[in-house]
Amino acid sequence: GDSVTQMEGPVTLSEEAFLTINCTYTATGYPSLFWYVQYPGEGLQLLLKATKADDKGSNKGFEATYRKETTSFHLEKGSVQVSDSAVYFCALSLSGGYNKLIFGAGTRLAVHP
Amino acid sequence: KAGVTQTPRYLIKTRGQQVTLSCSPISGHRSVSWYQQTPGQGLQFLFEYFSETQRNKGNFPGRFSGRQFSNSRSEMNVSTLELGDSALYLCASSLSPERNTEAFFGQGTRLTVV
Repeated sequence: GDSVTQMEGPVTLSEEAFLTINCTYTATGYPSLFWYVQYPGEGLQLLLKATKADDKGSNKGFEATYRKETTSFHLEKGSVQVSDSAVYFCALSLSGGYNKLIFGAGTRLAVHP
Repeated sequence: KAGVTQTPRYLIKTRGQQVTLSCSPISGHRSVSWYQQTPGQGLQFLFEYFSETQRNKGNFPGRFSGRQFSNSRSEMNVSTLELGDSALYLCASSLSPERNTEAFFGQGTRLTVV
């Protein structure tokens, strides 16, 4: 079935380090891909999205490129801040006009000064 | 503008009871989806409503149900609660049900079943 696999966390980095969180997917058709972020005690916020192959989503210094050949959507940021500490979820939505999101397990990021 | 509002924020119920959770979407949004978040299963889709009609349902037992009202507000109900229903229940609203439309999430209702 359709699914999303993320690298396990937690990921612990020092401030200004480079971040990569791996995400791969299995899906029929041509899914849209998303990264959501969840800060402690809050709901999810959309970080970025890509709707077709080779699209690059970007926001707040984060980037991810939709790679159909490797079925991947890895999240990257060149220089993380303490305020980026949160849980990051990779997700997909399938073709067919529905709004259902299929999420990965989430990756907790902790950034230390 | 006001975000997605979920009430109550926290709830404690006893096994066998039923519970109703409420979600008020962002003004103008007509699509509402519900998700269950647990440490073991992660985020799982429950159902989606648009124009008072359930358009899609996840793989949950019939004890989980929902509805949407004409003002787009939605409720979900869980009957005969089990310990495993303890979770954070998240509601998301979107302008439309199209798959590329951004979903805005509420802060969730934390349900504890004892």
